Parts: sequence; C-alpha cells; structure tokens
Amino acid sequence: DAGITQSPRHKVTETGTPVTLRCHQTENHRYMYWYRQDPGHGLRLIHYSYGVKDTDKGEVSDGYSVSRSKTEDFLLTLESATSSQTSVYFCAISAKGENTEAFFGQGTRLTVV
Amino acid sequence: SQQGEEDPQALSIQEGENATMNCSYKTSINNLQWYRQNSGRGLVHLILIRSNEREKHSGRLRVTLDTSKKSSSLLITASRAADTASYFCATGHSNSGYALNFGKGTSLLVTP
Repeated sequence: DAGITQSPRHKVTETGTPVTLRCHQTENHRYMYWYRQDPGHGLRLIHYSYGVKDTDKGEVSDGYSVSRSKTEDFLLTLESATSSQTSVYFCAISAKGENTEAFFGQGTRLTVV
Repeated sequence: SQQGEEDPQALSIQEGENATMNCSYKTSINNLQWYRQNSGRGLVHLILIRSNEREKHSGRLRVTLDTSKKSSSLLITASRAADTASYFCATGHSNSGYALNFGKGTSLLVTP
C-alpha cells in the first residue's frame, strides 16, 4: 500500500469550531488532493496541491482552507465547522499528475453536531 | 460538477457471472480510470486507460474506451464474492492539477 495516512480517522465536533485534518505521505509524491464523499454525490474535489506552498481550489472549496508547508503533509482546515460539512474526507496523492494513478488514504469520518 | 456518470447505480449478480458497468463523461479527457471502494475503506486504483487507447486488460478486468461517444465500460469476468464493492470511473484532465473527477459509482453485490 502507498504510504498515506490520514488523521484523525474519526472526529465529532461542534458547529462553529475549527477543525484540521491531516494527510501525511511517505511517497514524496508531488500532487496531493482532498476530496469529500457524500451519499448521492460520489467524491468531490475540495482543494489540491501541486507542490509545497502551491495549492488551488476545487469544486467545493467554500468553508475550507489548506496548507502544504512540506512535501509530505497536506492539511485541510474547516475554519468554522457546519453541519453541511459532515462527511467522509479522503486524501489522495499522485506522483506525476497526468496519466498516473492516485493513491487514497483510508478516510476521515467527520461529524459536525 | 460530476464528470463521469456510472450506469447502473446498483448491480446484483451471482458468483461466476460477468459484471459490466458503464461510464459516460462530458468533456475531453487525458485518461479514464476505474477505482474500487470496499465498504468503509479508501479507493483502490484498478486500471487506467489513456485517451488514445481503446481497450485494456488487467487480470479479470477489461476496460474499453470510446472517446467519440464519451463512454467507457468495465467488465469483471467470473465474479467472486470478494468483488462486492462500489466501482467508480474517474476522468483526468490537465485542469485542476490533474485531479480526478469521479462519478457517483456503481454498487456491485456478488452473492455466493
């Protein structure tokens, strides 16, 4: 399995609190992605990174921010969690981007109450 | 927005039968990939087919791509109970850092 770890694996938080999810890789892959998976929607891209300090928005970026200060870590922050952000979050990595497979973490199940 | 759309949404077959899932997409692509997701787990890459390829095989998997129809199919031959999972097609493009655009998936149930 590709060396990709998400933490925490499960989290329950209250509405309005900040939450940070971490994705850590040991593959030295350039590209990193955050997706959310919801019933009826499949996986939707939140943010992605194409290098250290190089990030950009995806399809559903509102309410989320990211940071990548090191190749191996990609952090996803919910500045003020809302119930609509209850979801399963997946991190993925890719070596070259074009025409290469992505490797996924095991996911973080986040519940906002 | 979703790029790929899988069909059917759910499929139930018996062990030994073949399973066919279809995917349609909307815009031009560099490649199309298929992933499997077991319940409660992350996605696992199955196969990648480039836009200039028409068919690809990997073990019991056969993928076809028709760029003129913007469609792909995944065939799993001689299905096993362990093939029970959700299957997603995903398209890659140079926009969005080559991030994959996923369909909503086909849920496959293989019964013994």
